[in-house]
Amino acid sequence: EPEVTQTPSHQVTQMGQEVILRCVPISNHLYFYWYRQILGQKVEFLVSFYNNEISEKSEIFDDQFSVERPDGSNFTLKIRSTKLEDSAMYFCASRGTSGRSSTGELFFGEGSRLTVL
Amino acid sequence: AQKITQTQPGMFVQEKEAVTLDCTYDTSDPSYGLFWYKQPSSGEMIFLIYQGSYDQQNATEGRYSLNFQKARKSANLVISASQLGDSAMYFCAMRGFSGGYQKVTFGTGTKLQVIP
Repeated sequence: EPEVTQTPSHQVTQMGQEVILRCVPISNHLYFYWYRQILGQKVEFLVSFYNNEISEKSEIFDDQFSVERPDGSNFTLKIRSTKLEDSAMYFCASRGTSGRSSTGELFFGEGSRLTVL
Repeated sequence: AQKITQTQPGMFVQEKEAVTLDCTYDTSDPSYGLFWYKQPSSGEMIFLIYQGSYDQQNATEGRYSLNFQKARKSANLVISASQLGDSAMYFCAMRGFSGGYQKVTFGTGTKLQVIP
């Protein structure tokens, strides 16, 4: 079964460093998302992406964050200058528009755990 | 704006018993979808069940069923015949089809523990 893959599974970085989290959505999906989950807390929406542009973003998604789809398969989240409070699990998700995905179900990757020291 | 509320931070259930996890929502969108996801301790998000706002029947998927009460704006998840492997966090989520079309909003989750 097709799946969303994310790399790295875990990254440790120093405060102020740039981090890029990578995602490969399911190949025929058109809508892409990043969510984050601080340990033990709710899953928070960051950004959605469609047709090569951001379609919606939350108040969390400030100027330190950016997303890109550099080629036909990858979808990246960049944090320019990490802060301690950016430590979280970051989930990539994708959604198609037909078939099994007609319910609008989000398919999630396994997450990238970011630890900022 | 859309909002999802899960009022049970934690629940216990005896193995083989049924359990209901509560979810209420608020939206001004006329058309929306409701989801339940399971997050085991390993961290991945697993889709369980979907209910569309115009669906006449309550959704069922194996041991999972969604008790959808539109007038009350509730979408409770019922797990029948609980198994030890059902111990996990459970998140209710909603996707709007207008306005908030591109966003799925999650509740705060309910931690379910199944007791042998």
